[in-house]
Amino acid sequence: EAGVVQSPRYKIIEKKQPVAFWCNPISGHNTLYWYLQNLGQGPELLIRYENEEAVDDSQLPKDRFSAERLKGVDSTLKIQPAELGDSAVYLCASSPSINTGELFFGEGSRLTVL
Amino acid sequence: AQKVTQAQTEISVVEKEDVTLDCVYETRDTTYYLFWYKQPPSGELVFLIRRNSFDEQNEISGRYSWNFQKSTSSFNFTITASQVVDSAVYFCALSEAKGASKIIFGSGTRLSIRP
Repeated sequence: EAGVVQSPRYKIIEKKQPVAFWCNPISGHNTLYWYLQNLGQGPELLIRYENEEAVDDSQLPKDRFSAERLKGVDSTLKIQPAELGDSAVYLCASSPSINTGELFFGEGSRLTVL
Repeated sequence: AQKVTQAQTEISVVEKEDVTLDCVYETRDTTYYLFWYKQPPSGELVFLIRRNSFDEQNEISGRYSWNFQKSTSSFNFTITASQVVDSAVYFCALSEAKGASKIIFGSGTRLSIRP
């Protein structure tokens, strides 16, 4: 069974440029999460989807961040415009049920903003 | 507010030694879940265990064991006879019991096993 797939693995951009990350969860997993992980820190939730509905986006900086999961399968996280402080790893995870807490993570997309 | 504290930033031991990773949590919920995840150098977090707040029994899985003590709000993780492949960052995490939808992670402990 394929795991959670994220792309790109690495992205280097200059500040004020836009960037987008893509995530394809494990087949059949209805719940999808985007997490932000700063260096030396644990992951922090940005947004959680149940199918195509964003049920928790309270931690998503909506002035520059946006996300979508149009068909309830894969998802895109966008930053526009990027700032220096956005340099981090963006992790996608999926779960077959919100009741287990067992998340399956992708390898992450490492963003460097110059 | 919920909080997870992993006071040990880095631990380095020689292979075959036993090592314990500490985790202390704070929550006002009476029911909650506790987790441990492993993040190897590849970056992909891997689920290790989930413990319900009602279940204080210790858990053993091969060389891994977990000690949950509600009285001290701790959920410690011990690796017995450590191996080089155990080298990773380990995260303790906490969530509300209803739905386990919002998982709060600690800052992690980087474990290095020296041959």
